[in-house]
Amino acid sequence: TQLLEQSPQFLSIQEGENLTVYCNSSSVFSSLQWYRQEPGEGPVLLVTVVTGGEVKKLKRLTFQFGDARKDSSLHITAAQPGDTGLYLCAGPTPYSGAGSYQLTFGKGTKLSVIP
Amino acid sequence: DTGVSQNPRHKITKRGQNVTFRCDPISEHNRLYWYRQTLGQGPEFLTYFQNEAQLEKSRLLSDRFSAERPKGSFSTLEIQRTEQGDSAMYLCVGDTQYFGPGTRLTVL
Repeated sequence: TQLLEQSPQFLSIQEGENLTVYCNSSSVFSSLQWYRQEPGEGPVLLVTVVTGGEVKKLKRLTFQFGDARKDSSLHITAAQPGDTGLYLCAGPTPYSGAGSYQLTFGKGTKLSVIP
Repeated sequence: DTGVSQNPRHKITKRGQNVTFRCDPISEHNRLYWYRQTLGQGPEFLTYFQNEAQLEKSRLLSDRFSAERPKGSFSTLEIQRTEQGDSAMYLCVGDTQYFGPGTRLTVL
């Protein structure tokens, strides 16, 4: 069982469309992070959300942390081909060693934006 | 550019051979992590260093895997007697969030 479930697994849209991807858990997280990963490269951190209900914006990307801190969403407005990539959510692994800050990742949403 | 470099970027080896990967974080990264990512999955935690001390190891890290960070700067990850199931991207992370580009291992 995945601690963090991401949906959809794959998403293919036309340039200019809006989209939302989701990250859900049955566990409460102190924070959640969103990363984007391009093929053959390591993930790049986009944002960290730490407060229930928090909304953060990064240009055309809007991130929301659920009130109960069990879920998060990423909304992209007017998607561009440059948004293509694997979007991963991650949170501190429950019951990991004190101060380790190891992360548990979801499987990701693979986004393709077609010109 | 996160400042974390990994070498080699790609490694192809035959089953049973030993391989070693290197990670060079920036000097300010006291914490260093290794993760493994297989196709269609998110990264999975392998091990973590605080300076030169290895403080945590995942159950994923079998006896064939060993990691070191001898002077608290660069780190190496060695896999002995590789198996086809070891084929994956091995990612090094500095300071919890700065991922390197990874080493793609293919075991034939």
